[in-house]
Amino acid sequence: ELKVEQNPLFLSMQEGKNYTIYCNYSTTSDRLYWYRQDPGKSLESLFVLLSNGAVKQEGRLMASLDTKARLSTLHITAAVHDLSATYFCLLVFYNTDKLIFGTGTRLQVFP
Amino acid sequence: DAGVTQSPTHLIKTRGQQVTLRCSPKSGHDTVSWYQQALGQGPQFIFQYYEEEERQRGNFPDRFSGHQFPNYSSELNVNALWLGDSALYLCASSLNHYEQYFGPGTRLTVT
Repeated sequence: ELKVEQNPLFLSMQEGKNYTIYCNYSTTSDRLYWYRQDPGKSLESLFVLLSNGAVKQEGRLMASLDTKARLSTLHITAAVHDLSATYFCLLVFYNTDKLIFGTGTRLQVFP
Repeated sequence: DAGVTQSPTHLIKTRGQQVTLRCSPKSGHDTVSWYQQALGQGPQFIFQYYEEEERQRGNFPDRFSGHQFPNYSSELNVNALWLGDSALYLCASSLNHYEQYFGPGTRLTVT
């Protein structure tokens, strides 16, 4: 069964703190994407991770991929309020051509 | 360069009616995917169109159908609407299986 799980589902963190969101998946995937969604809005692409060991960074966000562990992480450094949103990972499973989103992590950053 | 566009923005329908949603992909993209996102949930993959054919389908009933035109634009049709079909419908375009760019979505309310 193809499963994509994120944790935590909800994260409330103080400005300036660091934290990591995890995306676990059940079987081999060829591509993994991270998206951000603001309330009532569409999804904004953050990162594309294509191979084992891939690491991408943009501002206070850094994403990595470990295909052997079937795990991707989204690390937040020194959080600011503007990062408050819901974050999703999306996997493409090429052996079945399925596209599956993770459960999402709702992040709230407070002063 | 226009991104992914969707129409209409909002739509209200009555149970049992039929609805058609439209999507124009980002310039240069040849693949269109459709997702349903219920309130507070992650997007669920409906189907994907490439070269005017349905390439992959998620776990949605036959009431959900689609079409892709020669100019790569796409339509999503839903017949015999249920209350549970109320959701944000997102269209994403890509160049084959590469990074997906999402449109602003169509919010469908079924009463």
